[in-house]
Amino acid sequence: DVKVTQSSRYLVKRTGEKVFLECVQDMDHENMFWYRQDPGLGLRLIYFSYDVKMKEKGDIPEGYSVSREKKERFSLILESASTNQTSMYLCASSLAGTVQETQYFGPGTRLLVL
Amino acid sequence: SQQGEEDPQALSIQEGENATMNCSYKTSINNLQWYRQNSGRGLVHLILIRSNEREKHSGRLRVTLDTSKKSSSLLITASRAADTASYFCATDLGGSNYKLTFGKGTLLTVNP
Repeated sequence: DVKVTQSSRYLVKRTGEKVFLECVQDMDHENMFWYRQDPGLGLRLIYFSYDVKMKEKGDIPEGYSVSREKKERFSLILESASTNQTSMYLCASSLAGTVQETQYFGPGTRLLVL
Repeated sequence: SQQGEEDPQALSIQEGENATMNCSYKTSINNLQWYRQNSGRGLVHLILIRSNEREKHSGRLRVTLDTSKKSSSLLITASRAADTASYFCATDLGGSNYKLTFGKGTLLTVNP
């Protein structure tokens, strides 16, 4: 079974802090994704990566950056956390292909920015 | 607005009843997927239906796709309390796009 793990289930940070969210997958997937999920807004794509060191902006990249130095690991960075970044963050991975296939999700990180 | 939108937003039924959720989308797709999310957890893939398929089954799940109406439905038969969760449809945008676009979900509550 594919396993996607996220470094923390819950995280509390202060405004202005730099925050790192880590995601690791063990199935050699090429694609990895970061979403945020907010009540009433559903899942929104922040960034995705289709290969090591490759990244593309999603629908809401402002205030975020990402890093993919190794195939299995995809990090989401909040350079200077703000209260409006309080949210549930979900990481996912999938196999490569021109047709989007199944995404496998981690358990999520619930981030609270005070 | 969203590429995929589920309807209804919330559904409450009794154990043993069937639950039907619908998804509408706007543009041509290669495939449509349904995911489930238990409260506070990540999403779990349930079923994928390709644009050239009309119906697909997996256990107690039945998914239909009508590309002429740009809509899909998910039927859960003989529901159980453990089916209580949010259900999302997700669509790609065709072409060589890696992304899935998720709807806002239907919250299903199955009462024992």
